[in-house]
Amino acid sequence: GAGVSQSPSNKVTEKGKDVELRCDPISGHTALYWYRQSLGQGLEFLIYFQGNSAPDKSGLPSDRFSAERTGGSVSTLTIQRTQQEDSAVYLCASSLAARNNQPQHFGDGTRLSIL
Amino acid sequence: EDQVTQSPEALRLQEGESSSLNCSYTVSGLRGLFWYRQDPGKGPEFLFTLYSAGEEKEKERLKATLTKKESFLHITAPKPEDSATYLCAVQASGGGADGLTFGKGTHLIIQP
Repeated sequence: GAGVSQSPSNKVTEKGKDVELRCDPISGHTALYWYRQSLGQGLEFLIYFQGNSAPDKSGLPSDRFSAERTGGSVSTLTIQRTQQEDSAVYLCASSLAARNNQPQHFGDGTRLSIL
Repeated sequence: EDQVTQSPEALRLQEGESSSLNCSYTVSGLRGLFWYRQDPGKGPEFLFTLYSAGEEKEKERLKATLTKKESFLHITAPKPEDSATYLCAVQASGGGADGLTFGKGTHLIIQP
C-alpha cells in the first residue's frame, strides 16, 4: 500500500520567505509526527498530532514554526521568516496511534535549502 | 533528558564479515527501542521494536537484542546491499513527548 507522502521533495527559498511543507500519512494512521534532520545531526523531534490535536509542541525550535492537521489526515508544517539555520531535511512519520508502542513509518522528507 | 549514543560512527566490513552495532541509551522509563535503516536521500525504514530487557528480534541477516542500558544490532554474513546508516531510537514512557529520541547513527559500508 501507499506509504507516507511528503511534498515538495526539494524546496529552495530565500531567507525571510515563508514555506509550507506537506505530509500525507498512511491511510488509517491517527498519529502523525514531524522531525528535522540536519547535516551531521540526529533526527530531532518537532511535534506530533493525535487526530487533529497537537498535545506536544515542545520540540518546535521557535515561534516561527507552526503545524496544523485537518480532517485527521494531511498535515502542513509552516516556517515563517526562514533563516539559514532552518536548512535541513524535514521528515514526517505516521503510526496507527500514539502511546501504544506502534512503530513510526517515515516519508522520504522535504529537503529545505535557505539561500 | 533522554539520550541515545550509537557506536561506532562508521564501520567498513568485507562481505561475509559479521559484526555488531551498539546503541547505549538513557531514558526515564523505556516504552520501546526502535531500529531503523536509512539509505541516502530516503526516510528511515523501520526494522525492529524491542520492549524489554532480554528481548530479541531477527530479520534475515539482522538480529537486535536489548539490555537495560543498551541494544545491539548484530549483522551476520552481510552483503553489499546491507550498506546503509542504521539508526537507533527510544520512546519514553513518561507523560512527555511521544516523539522518538534518535542517535546519530552508524554508517555501515559492506565491501564486495
